[in-house]
Amino acid sequence: DAKTTQPTSMDCAEGRAANLPCNHSTISGNEYVYWYRQIHSQGPQYIIHGLKNNETNEMASLIITEDRKSSTLILPHATLRDTAVYYCIVRVGDMRFGAGTRLTVKP
Amino acid sequence: GAVVSQHPSWVICKSGTSVKIECRSLDFQATTMFWYRQFPKQSLMLMATSNEGSKATYEQGVEKDKFLINHASLTLSTLTVTSAHPEDSSFYICSAKTRWDEQYFGPGTRLTVT
Repeated sequence: DAKTTQPTSMDCAEGRAANLPCNHSTISGNEYVYWYRQIHSQGPQYIIHGLKNNETNEMASLIITEDRKSSTLILPHATLRDTAVYYCIVRVGDMRFGAGTRLTVKP
Repeated sequence: GAVVSQHPSWVICKSGTSVKIECRSLDFQATTMFWYRQFPKQSLMLMATSNEGSKATYEQGVEKDKFLINHASLTLSTLTVTSAHPEDSSFYICSAKTRWDEQYFGPGTRLTVT
């Protein structure tokens, strides 16, 4: 599975959009981009995934660049409950986690 | 989304004893389940992959005789930590994969070995 690079931490103001970047420059053609988040002392929660096209669901939007070497997870209106560690994972098989980005949503 | 449960949610045991953690997929059948371990302030580390009816595949550095995994049915996998020691204290998380290749995670089990 391709390696991903994410910023260690980010802050976001409550009510604003949170844009979390992820670099995956070695992604191969059949690897999907997955995003999960983990709130303290809980299991990871699935957010969204995509292959090539941008995706949107009730939680977030996923923007994948045309060359697929990077992506951005967008939480359109962040709330305090969105404070968590966000993991970007590129996979075909097993789900393997990097360090993730610790997002802190501030009032 | 699909639901994965774990039992117990937390357990305290004495050094030298064994502890069993259950992972269940509640509303789907999972041919493949995974076990992860997470130490404080660290990311999840994959320990092993468990396929129903066959032996688990362990990641490098994970002792298969210490972490016994049984995946006897399509909805249940168990992880037994044998002869537990304080360094085995950790947050153990399982996940289950649906036939559509979606992977859902359990809420985790916090193990403390005293």
